[in-house]
Amino acid sequence: EPEVTQTPSHQVTQMGQEVILRCVPISNHLYFYWYRQILGQKVEFLVSFYNNEISEKSEIFDDQFSVERPDGSNFTLKIRSTKLEDSAMYFCAISSGHTDTQYFGPGTRLTVL
Amino acid sequence: DAKTTQPTSMDCAEGRAANLPCNHSTISGNEYVYWYRQIHSQGPQYIIHGLKNNETNEMASLIITEDRKSSTLILPHATLRDTAVYYCIVRVRSYSGAGSYQLTFGKGTKLSVIP
Repeated sequence: EPEVTQTPSHQVTQMGQEVILRCVPISNHLYFYWYRQILGQKVEFLVSFYNNEISEKSEIFDDQFSVERPDGSNFTLKIRSTKLEDSAMYFCAISSGHTDTQYFGPGTRLTVL
Repeated sequence: DAKTTQPTSMDCAEGRAANLPCNHSTISGNEYVYWYRQIHSQGPQYIIHGLKNNETNEMASLIITEDRKSSTLILPHATLRDTAVYYCIVRVRSYSGAGSYQLTFGKGTKLSVIP
């Protein structure tokens, strides 16, 4: 199973601040995803990313969110101006192909105060 | 993607087989059945997937009915570490130029393995 690491494991921020969550796949997988899980709720898809472009995004992924692979290895999720309701676990996932198995990282717990 | 239905919760005695059912009566021929689990708030862990034949790996077995409308995940000898929420997910298996490739998680089945 491909290994995916995420940093930080826990991020605490003030409302209105920008946060960057990082995903580092230990492999050459080409497809990247972000999901989130608000405490006690379902895991929800945010965005998929391939070939340096967003290939799919959900309604949750509004203008406050952005993704990129700045150095060809790290995959980042930026939340421009955090809101209280952004508090959640954020999971990165990777796959070899669009329809191949997705493997998840351990997650980053984001707490917005 | 086709919708799935799973029981909310199940108990299983340690050392016994855990059989987790999933109904996916609207599945199409172009869709796989995937199983993931989530232990506490950790990232979802891939378990197994299949199309129409039964599948087995080091973690579990997947039994898919002949009409593909339901499946059962089998953990042959459940341990306390198998206590988790188990998700049955149906997703498209081939690129068609349209449609979604995201995983759509439901509420899953909370499996409690009891000593």
